[in-house]
Amino acid sequence: DTEVTQTPKHLVMGMTNKKSLKCEQHMGHRAMYWYKQKAKKPPELMFVYSYEKLSINESVPSRFSPECPNSSLLNLHLHALQPEDSALYLCASSLRQGPAATEAFFGQGTRLTVV
Amino acid sequence: GESVGLHLPTLSVQEGDNSIINCAYSNSASDYFIWYKQESGKGPQFIIDIRSNMDKRQGQRVTVLLNKTVKHLSLQIAATQPGDSAVYFCAESSNNFNKFYFGSGTKLNVKP
Repeated sequence: DTEVTQTPKHLVMGMTNKKSLKCEQHMGHRAMYWYKQKAKKPPELMFVYSYEKLSINESVPSRFSPECPNSSLLNLHLHALQPEDSALYLCASSLRQGPAATEAFFGQGTRLTVV
Repeated sequence: GESVGLHLPTLSVQEGDNSIINCAYSNSASDYFIWYKQESGKGPQFIIDIRSNMDKRQGQRVTVLLNKTVKHLSLQIAATQPGDSAVYFCAESSNNFNKFYFGSGTKLNVKP
């Protein structure tokens, strides 16, 4: 099983809403990532979790709040977003972070629209 | 993050021809590189990777070449097929951090 599963696939939310994106993997990977991708642009790194601890925050606004409840799950909590936050949000996982890096496997993404 | 860029934003090739997609990177500390393929509406899909102690690695119909002297990476696809049509990204990482930065992408169009 080399699958990273993201839910929901599509999400429309108002600027005052609170919503969450979910990501799950069962490959035993201990590094998990959130990326944001705008149309016709490359994915941009947001957060990295290593062994369930937040290890990298790429200066992401606090209206995005990540959470890693266990080694298989990664959430992204959204609150008071702006229309410019509309994008494809990608989750990825890799075996581990640090020395001897390995490839990251990506989910299919959540297409988020903020209205 | 460090810049990882591509020379050609769009590449059109005839079915059956070979394709070459190029990527330049600027972080000399980068020591691990990956090529991803992204089809419309999908997440990036791993194609092939290479570490900095190698200059060439081959997979099924794909070859990645790494030139550390000029900080250049290329992906060669042999006998390109319509199913290869997608956007291709190079991504770089360093062993110390294992966070992946993506280049700007090349769209590959395969004409039947």
